[in-house]
Amino acid sequence: KAGVTQTPRYLIKTRGQQVTLSCSPISGHRSVSWYQQTPGQGLQFLFEYFSETQRNKGNFPGRFSGRQFSNSRSEMNVSTLELGDSALYLCASSLDRGGREQYFGPGTRLTVT
Amino acid sequence: GQQVMQIPQYQHVQEGEDFTTYCNSSTTLSNIQWYKQRPGGHPVFLIQLVKSGEVKKQKRLTFQFGEAKKNSSLHITATQTTDVGTYFCAGLSSFGNEKLTFGTGTRLTIIP
Repeated sequence: KAGVTQTPRYLIKTRGQQVTLSCSPISGHRSVSWYQQTPGQGLQFLFEYFSETQRNKGNFPGRFSGRQFSNSRSEMNVSTLELGDSALYLCASSLDRGGREQYFGPGTRLTVT
Repeated sequence: GQQVMQIPQYQHVQEGEDFTTYCNSSTTLSNIQWYKQRPGGHPVFLIQLVKSGEVKKQKRLTFQFGEAKKNSSLHITATQTTDVGTYFCAGLSSFGNEKLTFGTGTRLTIIP
């Protein structure tokens, strides 16, 4: 089975721009979660989607949003980028919701200048 | 909200020495999971513990879940250079929000 894929792998944006990241889960996995990883803050939960609905949300501003499509693929969007948004954004899929084991993708490295 | 802390933050050991990382949750957990992230890589699921007092082994790795289901530990016997990476625990709260909270991680480096 193919693993979780994320595109793009690397991205450089300037402050004020917006960005969309994409995640394709493992086939058959219905839950997709997004995390932000920075050296200082570790792995911070952004949100979880299941059956095209956001089921859980972390403590991030409204500039961070996401969605899930009927094929379980997910996108996250960050608007009005700030320097502090520079991070590795990880997507993880799991069979079901409810804290099942997470299978992570390779991540998208976002740099905001 | 739920917090999950890990200690130590960093650990440097000589190859062949043992290593232990501890995970403590502010709330009771339904389950705890452990992940390993190699340098430049992404977290990879290692194991899940569900029962109070549960102990599981994977070769040189021993995982324990505390009796009160609020803490856990990962012990590696006779470390090897392949053990390098950051080890994260992740806890699922017992209180129904079904959100995994990741610990702060312990970065292990091995001195050959």
